[in-house]
Amino acid sequence: GQSLEQPSEVTAVEGAIVQINCTYQTSGFYGLSWYQQHDGGAPTFLSYNGLDGLEETGRFSSFLSRSDSYGYLLLQELQMKDSASYFCAWDNYGQNFVFGPGTRLSVLP
Amino acid sequence: NAGVMQNPRHLVRRRGQEARLRCSPMKGHSHVYWYRQLPEEGLKFMVYLQKENIIDESGMPKERFSAEFPKEGPSILRIQQVVRGDSAAYFCASSPSLDTDTQYFGPGTRLTVL
Repeated sequence: GQSLEQPSEVTAVEGAIVQINCTYQTSGFYGLSWYQQHDGGAPTFLSYNGLDGLEETGRFSSFLSRSDSYGYLLLQELQMKDSASYFCAWDNYGQNFVFGPGTRLSVLP
Repeated sequence: NAGVMQNPRHLVRRRGQEARLRCSPMKGHSHVYWYRQLPEEGLKFMVYLQKENIIDESGMPKERFSAEFPKEGPSILRIQQVVRGDSAAYFCASSPSLDTDTQYFGPGTRLTVL
């Protein structure tokens, strides 16, 4: 089957660094995306890894290791507005996207 | 450049009624995806459409649910004879082509079945 696993909740303080892990079991894997969703809002795209390694976009970075079927999202210099749910999503060559269950990040003052 | 639009934003139906959810993709996008999100859960893929074609409907329930993306007009997700378990947020996303790693999501339609 196709599945992704993420921790359900993560808590950190403002200014800290937090890593949200995602492990997957899929076939036909093409790439791993990350999305942010605030309560009541729509998911918004954060980052994508089509190749192994680190992708950096401002305070957010994402990493992928195909050999380990593992990726993570790294958030630096945490701000209160980063409190949201974060989803990893597996891309099956654009045919469909399988989303993980989401990790709820709470940033404390 | 307007983003993905969905309407209505909130929809209330009684059991047995029909629900029609509309999605207008971003300008220039010909690929549309529908997802369902139950409270406190992740997004579940339902269907992937291109203009006038259903490409992948592996996530659609076999009964009562249908989707279309006509040559003109928005994509429609139709739920017939709604039940309480259909209450959820339904998100539409669009992308410009198959070879893209980004989907742009609409604000969602929150369906409540009484």
